[in-house]
This record gives sequence, structure tokens and C-alpha cells, in this order.
Amino acid sequence: DIQMTQSPSSLSASIGDRVTITCRASQDISNYLAWYQKKPGKVPNLLIYGASTVQSGVPSRFSGSGSGTHFTLTITSLQPEDVATYYCQKYDSAPRTFGQGTRLEIK
Amino acid sequence: QVHLPQWGAGLLKPSETLSLTCAVYGPSFDFYWNWIRQPPGKGLEWIGEINRSGRTNYNSSLKSRVTISVDTSKNQFSLRLSSVTAADTALYWCARAPLLGGIDAWGQGTPVTVS
Repeated sequence: DIQMTQSPSSLSASIGDRVTITCRASQDISNYLAWYQKKPGKVPNLLIYGASTVQSGVPSRFSGSGSGTHFTLTITSLQPEDVATYYCQKYDSAPRTFGQGTRLEIK
Repeated sequence: QVHLPQWGAGLLKPSETLSLTCAVYGPSFDFYWNWIRQPPGKGLEWIGEINRSGRTNYNSSLKSRVTISVDTSKNQFSLRLSSVTAADTALYWCARAPLLGGIDAWGQGTPVTVS
């Protein structure tokens, strides 16, 4: 099975900062990658699919890039409501493995 | 829009079988119907999926204990996980995913405790 590895596992940033989270696949998954935001007590929220397509309703400060094995999620100007854990997930084929998550906090 | 109410037993003893069901209200064709879980303090784990034709895919680590089924007459799909242990304690969600797309709809979640 293809493994998904996120980095960092956690990070702390200031309001207004640009934040980048990385997801690496152990094999080529083309652009079949999604990003989710998970807040405590809430269901995960789809942010990005197709590696770079922003889901409807998601703020424009969220963007995604990459293909093959290397992907990034970027928040251009961090807001207080962005405190959450972020997960990548592959969906090129089963299993639809998630990354281990990146916990984002406000400094 | 799609609505995915889910239900099932929330407290199990070790060795019992976990059973959860999810109803689908809304579009159901051309989607895979997923089960995902999150143990306390840990990350998201994909359990498996099924489509309306009954084609299934499972997480390799759970494959020997998992069965996902679909009842198209009721627009429902179900998860059974046998021989549960404390390691299966988690919040379980049903969810919808396009064949080649991210998960765009989730059930409300069912907490399951094995003790």
C-alpha cells in the first residue's frame, strides 16, 4: 500500500503568517490528493481535491499544489479560526490512506 | 445536498462485533460510500468503502475483520467489524466520496467504546 507522510506533525504560527504543510506519497498518485481540516467536535471538512482545486465555500486563503509524490497545502494569511488538524488523503486507488495529520496552533 | 444519518451500538465488550448503519438521503449514484474512524487522540483512519453495485475496498490492516454491505432498496450501507478490542475504540463516521474525489459529505459520527 502507498504510504502518506505529512510534515511537520505540528506547527505554531502567528496571525497573518503564511503556513505551508507538506504531504508526500510513497508512490506516484498523480493529482489524486485531497486536504481536510478537522476541528475538535466537528466532522472533517474537505478543503482541496485534485491536489489544487478549492472546494466550494472554502476561503481563498487556502490553496494546494503538487503532483506525483509531493504536495503542499498553503494558508496565505493565518486566521484564528484556522486552528485545526489538517490531513491529506490519497484517492487514486484503494486504500484511500490518510496522512498522520498536522496540528496547527496560533503562536 | 446529501444527508447521512448513522446509528449503531456504542458500547461493546471485547470479542463482540461492531455494527453501524448509515442512511443516504440524496444523490447516491457514482459515489463510493466510506467508513472512517478516529481513535481518541489519534488521526483519521480509512476503514473501507462500497459502491451501489456492492464492490468493496478495505484497509489492509482491518480486512480480515471488516465487512461493508449495501442495501440499495433502503438506501443504506453498513459496517461490521468483528472481534473488537480496546484498540477499536473510536469515533466512527460514514461518508460519501466520488469515485475520483475527496470525501465531501459525512455522517454525524458514532462514538464506539470497547470495554
